[in-house]
Amino acid sequence: ILNVEQSPQSLHVQEGDSTNFTCSFPSSNFYALHWYRWETAKSPEALFVMTLNGDEKKKGRISATLNTKEGYSYLYIKGSQPEDSATYLCAFPTDSWGKLQFGAGTQVVVTP
Amino acid sequence: DTGVSQDPRHKITKRGQNVTFRCDPISEHNRLYWYRQTLGQGPEFLTYFQNEAQLEKSRLLSDRFSAERPKGSFSTLEIQRTEQGDSAMYLCASTPTGGKLFFGSGTQLSVL
Repeated sequence: ILNVEQSPQSLHVQEGDSTNFTCSFPSSNFYALHWYRWETAKSPEALFVMTLNGDEKKKGRISATLNTKEGYSYLYIKGSQPEDSATYLCAFPTDSWGKLQFGAGTQVVVTP
Repeated sequence: DTGVSQDPRHKITKRGQNVTFRCDPISEHNRLYWYRQTLGQGPEFLTYFQNEAQLEKSRLLSDRFSAERPKGSFSTLEIQRTEQGDSAMYLCASTPTGGKLFFGSGTQLSVL
């Protein structure tokens, strides 16, 4: 069984502060690493799909890095805002068809 | 709105009843996935389709679960003789190539 681990499970952040959290995944048979944001009462939304070791992606104030050799990815939120409150999920394809194994997520709560 | 749509949004049923959920993927997407999410866990893979062909069904699923995707368009997920342990959020997602997934808002099932 291939496990994707995320830590911490939850995070409380003051508005304006920056934060980061981790996703670890099996480093063998690597295809890609996905990050999704899931806001309450909405659909999970793709943030990044990362495929190359050392890759770094950015979307607004959110960025992610990838280390495929050691099997981890970091997601960073710079200057957190209340609208960043969501559960952030990472996922790892377990086959070439793209079937994803998800982590349990990191729940981020940003307080004004 | 041309995103993934799921119906119903919420379903409350009594133990032992059958329920059916529908998913309408983005029209040009060949691949369709069903996931289930329970509190505190990440989405768990149930099954997926390439056009109308069901490629894999999770070994975690009992024979009470069945999914179809006639003509490679919309998909249905049926649960027969529901049990309290079936209570969960059922998510549908589609993708054209096996890359990032586009999710629906999910169907929240409560079995009383």
